[in-house]
Amino acid sequence: GAGVSQSPSNKVTEKGKDVELRCDPISGHTALYWYRQSLGQGLEFLIYFQGNSAPDKSGLPSDRFSAERTGGSVSTLTIQRTQQEDSAVYLCASSLGRLAGTGELFFGEGSRLTVL
Amino acid sequence: GENVEQHPSTLSVQEGDSAVIKCTYSDSASNYFPWYKQELGKRPQLIIDIRSNVGEKKDQRIAVTLNKTAKHFSLHITETQPEDSAVYFCAASPRGYSTLTFGKGTMLLVSP
Repeated sequence: GAGVSQSPSNKVTEKGKDVELRCDPISGHTALYWYRQSLGQGLEFLIYFQGNSAPDKSGLPSDRFSAERTGGSVSTLTIQRTQQEDSAVYLCASSLGRLAGTGELFFGEGSRLTVL
Repeated sequence: GENVEQHPSTLSVQEGDSAVIKCTYSDSASNYFPWYKQELGKRPQLIIDIRSNVGEKKDQRIAVTLNKTAKHFSLHITETQPEDSAVYFCAASPRGYSTLTFGKGTMLLVSP
């Protein structure tokens, strides 16, 4: 596709359930990021993948959060045993990474998660 | 890790006025400073960026200045228009193409 695609766009779940959020980056982009956006909290870094390198997981808030990137393309963010404080918009972004002269991030539309 | 502080959190101006948003960063190794604009209900988009080897960059009505010694950078918007109304985020990256740390954002409202 022409841009970063995320699914689902909206997810409502009950406390304690697991959720999976998917990100399909722009073809050829080697870098992929997950950010969380809560009201008034800006863009909170979660995890960063660059090519085949080990991901930077330093932003994951707890061990309930995990992410993987298969084949250097599609990524899935998994939240286990969801809590109400996990409610937020989860944004995925991709970029050309270190091989390019630009650091521009291209964001998806986001997945809005509501935990009841 | 890097910490980015952004001020003000909200900014209201009249159409035609100038707007200035300021950010400070903590990691002296940071060398890439982009600004993103997020309109209501839409995704953030890059509007301008600056690298640490320059002190100022302009693109039409927007400009960014960088003071490496003081570790702060600012976004300047001149002749503001209602369509400039949005949330603006600054960010800093310690190693160029790796993790971007964002500020908490500034909601700019331009009144006609």
